[in-house]
Amino acid sequence: QSVLTQPPSASGTPGQRVPISCSGSSSNIGSNTVNWYQQLPGTAPKLLIYSNNQRPSGVPDRFSGSNSGTSASLAISGLQSEDEADYYCAAWDDSLSDVVFGGGTKLTVL
Amino acid sequence: EVQLVQSGAEVKKTGESLKISCKGSGYRFSSNWIGWVRQMPGKGLEWMGTIYPGDSDTRYSPSFQGQVTISADKSISTAYLQWSSLKASDSGMYYCVNSGGSPYYFDSWGQGTLVTVST
Repeated sequence: QSVLTQPPSASGTPGQRVPISCSGSSSNIGSNTVNWYQQLPGTAPKLLIYSNNQRPSGVPDRFSGSNSGTSASLAISGLQSEDEADYYCAAWDDSLSDVVFGGGTKLTVL
Repeated sequence: EVQLVQSGAEVKKTGESLKISCKGSGYRFSSNWIGWVRQMPGKGLEWMGTIYPGDSDTRYSPSFQGQVTISADKSISTAYLQWSSLKASDSGMYYCVNSGGSPYYFDSWGQGTLVTVST
């Protein structure tokens, strides 16, 4: 059972906008920034979004992050087949003194 | 460009010791946090801990405190993850991660080291 809760799966057709949610609590998302990672099949994860809504150099602006209260969301617009991957949210948890991850969301492009 | 190159896959038996490595390049090794993330087969990501090579400040996840040792040799820009007595439940993929800012998000990832522990 992960500390951050994500839907296990999401899907969309090419060109669509797909949101992926991440729910936490006051000790993690409610008081610290959220980061998102993308893991393409068979590869190492990659930082996609940091500090809630910042994109590292090279990440397309189709990817955006937001948060409100104890929840965060990753949005992928203009969905492409190469976006098919697992997506993980993460944050520092003040109560656990630990980096906590969501269980991951498997995105399928139909 | 930041590169993290990890040592190769390992096959060990329960009770054996193991030390895997991660060599950083393309950045000032002493000035960035470098840590480890575990991914068990078919499962999600778990942060294990991190070290600041400049002063050896080391922070562990409570889940891994006392189970592993993280170290670094800044003279050769290499970080290590070590077990003194492996368990079958230590089997998994271990990723080395670099943090240029906060120690708690991970800018760059190594290719992973697969550890298989059999009884």
